[in-house]
Amino acid sequence: AQKVTQAQTEISVVEKEDVTLDCVYETRDTTYYLFWYKQPPSGELVFLIRRNSFDEQNEISGRYSWNFQKSTSSFNFTITASQVVDSAVYFCALSEAPGGSEKLVFGKGTKLTVNP
Amino acid sequence: DVKVTQSSRYLVKRTGEKVFLECVQDMDHENMFWYRQDPGLGLRPIYFSYDVKMKEKGDIPEGYSVSREKKERFSLILESASTNQTSMYLCASSLRSGGAYEQYFGPGTRLTVT
Repeated sequence: AQKVTQAQTEISVVEKEDVTLDCVYETRDTTYYLFWYKQPPSGELVFLIRRNSFDEQNEISGRYSWNFQKSTSSFNFTITASQVVDSAVYFCALSEAPGGSEKLVFGKGTKLTVNP
Repeated sequence: DVKVTQSSRYLVKRTGEKVFLECVQDMDHENMFWYRQDPGLGLRPIYFSYDVKMKEKGDIPEGYSVSREKKERFSLILESASTNQTSMYLCASSLRSGGAYEQYFGPGTRLTVT
């Protein structure tokens, strides 16, 4: 069965600190997709990144970066120089191989609070 | 921009009522999903549909049914609402084309069953 674990329930940092959100996944599929979503206090989930299992290149988008390591089944998310607007719940998710249900299996989320 | 809308932001219903939650997307996506979000449990899939009139059960389908008569609309039905169905309900849609594409979510419906 597929599973996503986000061991950090809550993290609190001071503005401008770097912070890494951990995500560990389990799947038997050889083809799968990983995602990160942000849920700000307003409640609507915002898509951040999609990564397929064949692409282990790290990705950087502004202050955000993602580290995908198949050897440790991890897909960690780092925010550099955090800002108050980064305060949100962040979810890591795993999708089954294409052609199946493609439903997302979510981790329980990490609540990030960035204090001024 | 992809837009997923849900019929109500907040809803209060009584135990035993039949409840309809509506979701509409405007991007011609094949896949549509209903999730339930509860504190400490994250998001759990209830039902999904990859084509008109097609549906599949998610992890927690008990007490729910769905309807997809048109491609853009996916309805979640609580046949007889119970207090343990008090929750946030999120609808999502995505492309279905040879890869598991990102899902776009609606704003959610916070349902309270009294």
